[in-house]
Amino acid sequence: TQLLEQSPQFLSIQEGENLTVYCNSSSVFSSLQWYRQEPGEGPVLLVTVVTGGEVKKLKRLTFQFGDARKDSSLHITAAQPGDTGLYLCAGAKIQGAQKLVFGQGTRLTINP
Amino acid sequence: IAGITQAPTSQILAAGRRMTLRCTQDMRHNAMYWYRQDLGLGLRLIHYSNTAGTTGKGEVPDGYSVSRANTDDFPLTLASAVPSQTSVYFCASSSGGASTDTQYFGPGTRLTVL
Repeated sequence: TQLLEQSPQFLSIQEGENLTVYCNSSSVFSSLQWYRQEPGEGPVLLVTVVTGGEVKKLKRLTFQFGDARKDSSLHITAAQPGDTGLYLCAGAKIQGAQKLVFGQGTRLTINP
Repeated sequence: IAGITQAPTSQILAAGRRMTLRCTQDMRHNAMYWYRQDLGLGLRLIHYSNTAGTTGKGEVPDGYSVSRANTDDFPLTLASAVPSQTSVYFCASSSGGASTDTQYFGPGTRLTVL
């Protein structure tokens, strides 16, 4: 059983389209992070959200932490081929604890 | 600055053999982690270390051991490899042990156990 469920697991869209990736759980998290991973490399942190309802923007990427701190979403506007990659959400259940629980990932492909 | 280096890049290993995956960081980070990544399961924490001299178990520690003799190095040992340990292994580090700290990942080691 996956503590953090990501959906969709695979997404292939055309350049210029918008998309949303979801990260859901029945558990409450003290913070949640989103990572992006390219083939043959380790994940790279995109953002950390810590407050329920928090919204953070990183250029065309918008991250939201649910009010109840059980879920999060990543929205990409006008997707570009350079956005292609594996997107991972990771949550920490206990404040201050370094043990992260990762979702299974969303493999995103943006076609030119 | 290299960040985190892992060795070897890939390895094919016979079942029952002992194997040590190496991880070195040059950022003077206190905390270090070992994860395994399997298709459809994301990353799962194997072991972690808050600071040199201390280690802790993660989500999937069975069959693995670690040591942290100094700040920079955090080797992961498979005492007797089994096929289910076939995976991509990532080492990571963070400045402290807080959940909001950025974890920096190495490039990974692809291990195949036959």
